[in-house]
Amino acid sequence: ETGVTQTPRHLVMGMTNKKSLKCEQHLGHNAMYWYKQSAKKPLELMFVYNFKEQTENNSVPSRFSPECPNSSHLFLHLHTLQPEDSALYLCASRASGQGASGYTFGSGTRLTVV
Amino acid sequence: GNSVTQMEGPVTLSEEAFLTINCTYTATGYPSLFWYVQYPGEGLQLLLKATKADDKGSNKGFEATYRKETTSFHLEKGSVQVSDSAVYFCALSDPTGANNLFFGTGTRLTVIP
Repeated sequence: ETGVTQTPRHLVMGMTNKKSLKCEQHLGHNAMYWYKQSAKKPLELMFVYNFKEQTENNSVPSRFSPECPNSSHLFLHLHTLQPEDSALYLCASRASGQGASGYTFGSGTRLTVV
Repeated sequence: GNSVTQMEGPVTLSEEAFLTINCTYTATGYPSLFWYVQYPGEGLQLLLKATKADDKGSNKGFEATYRKETTSFHLEKGSVQVSDSAVYFCALSDPTGANNLFFGTGTRLTVIP
């Protein structure tokens, strides 16, 4: 375990379902990130939160809705997804004073949209 | 904008072979450069980094040198082991100071005994 825990590890959902991915860290980090990992594509930065405030939305479709209720928890709410949204979704956290070297990644949620 | 281009995999090598994974980048300023490794079923782990031109990052026998003139950060290891089988990602940090990371596509390495 890296200190960043993602649940569930695997998720299969239909295109009309609503589901949520959860990310939790107790490292004392105050920045949290969602990345999408698809085959043969660069890892895509989706959302960034600093001190619970969203500071970046990388043109992500509205069917993905992030939520950060506190600095330890980050959610990604999913609604009416498409098959091309199937991917590994990675959460990461970082302490703001550590610069770009201080990322800790979770093991990811493998999402399959059917 | 900021982007990273990695050589396409997969790469398959015999144990003790020499490894090179090419990485080039585009950035509007002076980024820091990183290599991350992802073992099966795990998240990404920082393997090595370099923060300025001509710096060499090294860890676990892997090395990469920050080459500003060729905008490259190629990963090398002199003698790979089966345990090095993983996906390797090249990345750069946002030079504007936001510390966001931009990654390449990843290169899968399989080392066979």
